[in-house]
Amino acid sequence: DTGVSQNPRHKITKRGQNVTFRCDPISEHNRLYWYRQTLGQGPEFLTYFQNEAQLEKSRLLSDRFSAERPKGSFSTLEIQRTEQGDSAMYLCASSLGTNRSPLDFGEGSWLTVV
Amino acid sequence: TQLLEQSPQFLSIQEGENLTVYCNSSSVFSSLQWYRQEPGEGPVLLVTVVTGGEVKKLKRLTFQFGDARKDSSLHITAAQPGDTGLYLCAGEGRDDKIIFGKGTRLHILP
Repeated sequence: DTGVSQNPRHKITKRGQNVTFRCDPISEHNRLYWYRQTLGQGPEFLTYFQNEAQLEKSRLLSDRFSAERPKGSFSTLEIQRTEQGDSAMYLCASSLGTNRSPLDFGEGSWLTVV
Repeated sequence: TQLLEQSPQFLSIQEGENLTVYCNSSSVFSSLQWYRQEPGEGPVLLVTVVTGGEVKKLKRLTFQFGDARKDSSLHITAAQPGDTGLYLCAGEGRDDKIIFGKGTRLHILP
């Protein structure tokens, strides 16, 4: 297994455009998390999935953010009408989903909104 | 809302010194994990503690989970420049959701 894979690694977009990030988790992991991280801060929880079911979406997220995991494998995170404040690293992590199982992170997708 | 507070936010010390980083909350967690993150990369797991009062050692790093499972500490003995990085604590709470503290940025001066 090659670990958690995220694409693209870097994205520069103009304000108002839509962007989509993809995450391919470790194959046997049924839980998948999305976090956002800005420079010098810890990862901020966005949403997480158990297989294809979205368990929770952060109340801090606006309706411009949506995530899917249609077949319980890969996941996408879409940001519509991007704003400069959306500039951050978007991290995906997966786990076995059993109690106390740790997270395996991807290398993150950097978003810069200009 | 479950929150994790880490202190200090920044720490710069000389090689060979000892240090302790703290992770505190008013909430109980079923487990607490410590990660280390290098610039431009995702966090990497160091250890998971699950039992109140548990102590785990990883070479020069000692991790402790508070008796009430609300707090944890990371102690590094004889710090080395290779220990430089962002140290994150993460708690597994209700519904197995994992939340992170804001991290402690550690810089070891040679």
